[in-house]
Amino acid sequence: DAKTTQPPSMDCAEGRAANLPCNHSTISGNEYVYWYRQIHSQGPQYIIHGLKNNETNEMASLIITEDRKSSTLILPHATLRDTAVYYCIVEGTTSGTYKYIFGTGTRLKVLA
Amino acid sequence: DAGVTQSPTHLIKTRGQQVTLRCSPISGHKSVSWYQQVLGQGPQFIFQYYEKEERGRGNFPDRFSARQFPNYSSELNVNALLLGDSALYLCASSLAQRRTHEQYFGPGTRLTVT
Repeated sequence: DAKTTQPPSMDCAEGRAANLPCNHSTISGNEYVYWYRQIHSQGPQYIIHGLKNNETNEMASLIITEDRKSSTLILPHATLRDTAVYYCIVEGTTSGTYKYIFGTGTRLKVLA
Repeated sequence: DAGVTQSPTHLIKTRGQQVTLRCSPISGHKSVSWYQQVLGQGPQFIFQYYEKEERGRGNFPDRFSARQFPNYSSELNVNALLLGDSALYLCASSLAQRRTHEQYFGPGTRLTVT
């Protein structure tokens, strides 16, 4: 019952921007979009999250469309260490509990 | 600062046995969540605990149980193990239950059931 869809894999040249898309057409007005990444079966690592506005931090930028039905994670200058599975998550709410519903993610490979 | 720690790192059990996995959250974090990640899939939510109370449960059978202690550490218990329980079990902590707080994941415990 994942609430997001992502392409299964993408390649990006080292030093170039990596743009990872995510569709979340059923998102509710008060649900946040989160991005995490997982490197080689380590625990997922938080990247960024947002509600309506575009967000930027030291790792990445998050662009959310005006209708909030899709978003794009941008890694401005991808390095080999950015090779990982990237998860776009929209939280689900069950009986007042907010929980992450992970999909299968996008496997990003950064090429030298 | 120490991150989320989990023990043991790896575990091998036999079908029908019981297992207990442990998690210590980041200092000051009061919320702990547990996830199961089967090879090739994204993590699946099992439980969330906040202030020692269960605040959420995913679609897992009653063989799965958990608790949170006064120091906010947590244990996940799985009874009557099945081969399908083989997975990476992840613990995540956050400051609070509020949605604006990101979760910090531990390295996981890899459970193999034979």
